[in-house]
Amino acid sequence: DQQVKQNSPSLSVQEGRISILNCDYTNSMFDYFLWYKKYPAEGPTFLISISSIKDKNEDGRFTVFLNKSAKHLSLHIVPSQPGDSAVYFCAASANTGNQFYFGTGTSLTVIP
Amino acid sequence: EPEVTQTPSHQVTQMGQEVILRCVPISNHLYFYWYRQILGQKVEFLVSFYNNEISEKSEIFDDQFSVERPDGSNFTLKIRSTKLEDSAMYFCASRTDRIRTEAFFGQGTRLTVV
Repeated sequence: DQQVKQNSPSLSVQEGRISILNCDYTNSMFDYFLWYKKYPAEGPTFLISISSIKDKNEDGRFTVFLNKSAKHLSLHIVPSQPGDSAVYFCAASANTGNQFYFGTGTSLTVIP
Repeated sequence: EPEVTQTPSHQVTQMGQEVILRCVPISNHLYFYWYRQILGQKVEFLVSFYNNEISEKSEIFDDQFSVERPDGSNFTLKIRSTKLEDSAMYFCASRTDRIRTEAFFGQGTRLTVV
């Protein structure tokens, strides 16, 4: 059961432009959402999170938007930098459980 | 900055052998996790651990798997009799609280079963 989906396996963006990564979820009990960045052969690194009581959270170049009615969230990276090239995972959790449910990831390539 | 550390970084084992993957979570964290990622697939939850017992486990975490916190700092995952399909990256993670906090992941152990 794929409760968290990232439908774009890859994305290429020019340096300096905006990167938009998308994520959809199906479980209405999810109330906390996170984005992780992952380089090959390394563990996921936490980027940014958002609680379901908010619709936007911003941290520097990274902004996460949450649309609860559409069960959709997105990560915006502005401006994109070559060092942002990595796989980005969306994750979600519910306060009724412990685990994070991960999406399949989107591989972002920022072209210099 | 505190971090989750995992050893070894790479483990090669023969099918049917037992392996123990080790993790040192961040010291003031209370919730501990094992996840795995088979090459090219998503990160999958295996088990969560709190207050010296399993709090949640997935269907993957069958009788061949066990976890332990033997000494208050280490957190281990044991696979009793490895199968070829256990080959994956195994990630340990920890967090301070169960809800609305991020989990911090270790660098992972690449397990190769031959």
